[in-house]
Parts: sequence; structure tokens; C-alpha cells
Amino acid sequence: QKEVEQDPGPLSVPEGAIVSLNCTYSNSAFQYFMWYRQYSRKGPELLMYTYSSGNKEDGRFTAQVDKSSKYISLFIRDSQPSDSATYLCAIKGGFKTIFGAGTRLFVKA
Amino acid sequence: DTAVSQTPKYLVTQMGNDKSIKCEQNLGHDTMYWYKQDSKKFLKIMFSYNNKELIINETVPNRFSPKSPDKAHLNLHINSLELGDSAVYFCASSPPQGVLGNTEAFFGQGTRLTVV
Repeated sequence: QKEVEQDPGPLSVPEGAIVSLNCTYSNSAFQYFMWYRQYSRKGPELLMYTYSSGNKEDGRFTAQVDKSSKYISLFIRDSQPSDSATYLCAIKGGFKTIFGAGTRLFVKA
Repeated sequence: DTAVSQTPKYLVTQMGNDKSIKCEQNLGHDTMYWYKQDSKKFLKIMFSYNNKELIINETVPNRFSPKSPDKAHLNLHINSLELGDSAVYFCASSPPQGVLGNTEAFFGQGTRLTVV
């Protein structure tokens, strides 16, 4: 079993839709939970990070962590074509970070 | 100004050659990383340095040798390149503990290595 499981997609939605991206993880020792966005041929960009269970909101993005079920989510409201990218979840403990495989998202105008 | 910069952006080389990739960050961060991203976009940590000290070495062949001459630079030297080394290599940096969760907050643009 991989330490972080993420459906690679692709996920295709119409503009304006609410997007839900999810990951599960197996090791409860990890303390930080992150979401990155990666455009084609670019480096990952940190979108959001959370430390504990609960929700964190930043503009159209909401990150959700449920430590009891080892489940993390990213919601994108009012999705735009510019949101089309690969979204990577990651978990971090100490200096070690493990990334999910990434979900490719396409938002169609 | 670019926060984390890598050179070169593209590198095509023959099997058996030795090559280096350079990384510099101008953010004053203490921790820097090298990641490898394969053709399936899977991003995997290779090395991590904190204040020029190696803290993570993730089962990487010893043909790969990182070097950190100072806190702002982390270079990657690869000996005897193999076909399987073809990938995109990313450098990243983290702010101190307590800032942005000490997460890999900034990545370089990547070095696309192709071994032929």
C-alpha cells in the first residue's frame, strides 16, 4: 500500500463547477497536509497547508483534513479554465514529505 | 526575482556521462531539497539539506551526490548516467519551522534530464 493514495484522473468539469479532489494516507505520524498545483512543464506551487483536522479556506479553495479517517480534500469553488492543472496532495512529518501521484484537472470553458 | 532557480532547464546527454544541476534560492531559507518527478508525474524526495547538513538521503544510488557549498545553494552531481535517470529534477526550499508549516513552499522550474 502506498503511503499516500490519490486518483490520477483525469477529471474534467465545466467552468463554474465545484471540484473535489481527495487523498488518503496510511501513516498517522505525519503532521502537515498540503496541496500543490502544477501547471504543465512548471514546478509545483504550494496552494494550501493545514496542520490539524478541520477546514481551511483561501479564496475559492478549501482544504479539509480528517485525521480520524486519514482523508484529505481540496475543494475548488467556481472553477475556472485557469485552474486546469495537476493537483498534488502531500503529507509531511519532520523533514520528510510524501506526495500523492497527482490528479489532472481540466476545466472546460 | 526568481525565488528558486535551477540551471540548466534542459539537459540531454549520453549514457555514461557525468552531469551537474545547480540550484540557488534567494529566500534565506535553511532547508533545501532535491526531488525527482518521473514520467507519471510522481514526485519523490531524493535529498534534503538543512543549514548545509544532509538530513535526508532516500535510497538514491550513490551515483547521485548532492553538494551544498552554502545555505543558498544545493547542487546535484550525477555520475555514469543511465537511461532510467531520465526525469524532471526539482529543487525546493522551506522556510524555518513555524513558517508555512516548514513545508516545501517554493519549487524551482525543474531540470528536464534526458539520457540517450
